[in-house]
Amino acid sequence: DTAVSQTPKYLVTQMGNDKSIKCEQNLGHDTMYWYKQDSKKFLKIMFSYNNKELIINETVPNRFSPKSPDKAHLNLHINSLELGDSAVYFCASSQGRRGEQYFGPGTRLTVT
Amino acid sequence: SQQGEEDPQALSIQEGENATMNCSYKTSINNLQWYRQNSGRGLVHLILIRSNEREKHSGRLRVTLDTSKKSSSLLITASRAADTASYFCATVVNRDDKIIFGKGTRLHILP
Repeated sequence: DTAVSQTPKYLVTQMGNDKSIKCEQNLGHDTMYWYKQDSKKFLKIMFSYNNKELIINETVPNRFSPKSPDKAHLNLHINSLELGDSAVYFCASSQGRRGEQYFGPGTRLTVT
Repeated sequence: SQQGEEDPQALSIQEGENATMNCSYKTSINNLQWYRQNSGRGLVHLILIRSNEREKHSGRLRVTLDTSKKSSSLLITASRAADTASYFCATVVNRDDKIIFGKGTRLHILP
C-alpha cells in the first residue's frame, strides 16, 4: 500500500491556467508538507500543516494556495500558472514537526 | 543563505569502496536527517540523529554529528550500484521546528 500518494504524476499545462495537485497519506501522521524541487534538484519547503492548521508558509506567491480538508489530505492549488512554476512538487508527511518525513512520488509540472 | 550545505556536490567511486558525504549547517538544531533520492523518485528517509547524539548506525550507514562544528557526515560502507542516488541532509531548526534541506550530493557508484 502506498504511504504517501500524489495525483497527478505528470501535469502539462499552459501559462495562465489554474491547476490542482492532490496528496493523501495513510500513515496516520499529523503533519503534511509541500515542497518544490527545481531543475537543479534544490528542494524548498513551501507549506506545512499540523493537524489541519497551517504552520509554515514560506515566501511563496499567493497564487499557491494549500488546502487541508482533513489530516490525511493536503492539496495544492495553483492559479495563473507561470513558466517559472515548472518543477517537481513533492508532498510529504511526518508524525510531529520534528520527525522523519515520508515523501510522495512527486508531480512533475510543466508549464508551456 | 542555505542552512545545510553538502560536500562534495558530486562523488564517483568504485563499487565496494566507502563513500563519505558531509553536511554543514548554521543554526541550532533539534535533529539532522539524511535522505536518499533515486532519479525521478521521491526522497526516502535514511537516518535521523538528534542534537544530543554523536553517532548512529543503520546497516551499512554511519552518521556522525558534531554540534560544536555544526557538521554531520554520512558514511556508506561497501558501496553497491544500487547506492547510486542523490543524498540530502536536512536540519530541523530549534527556533521554529522548520526543516531545511541542503542541495544534495550526487553519488555515482562505478561497476
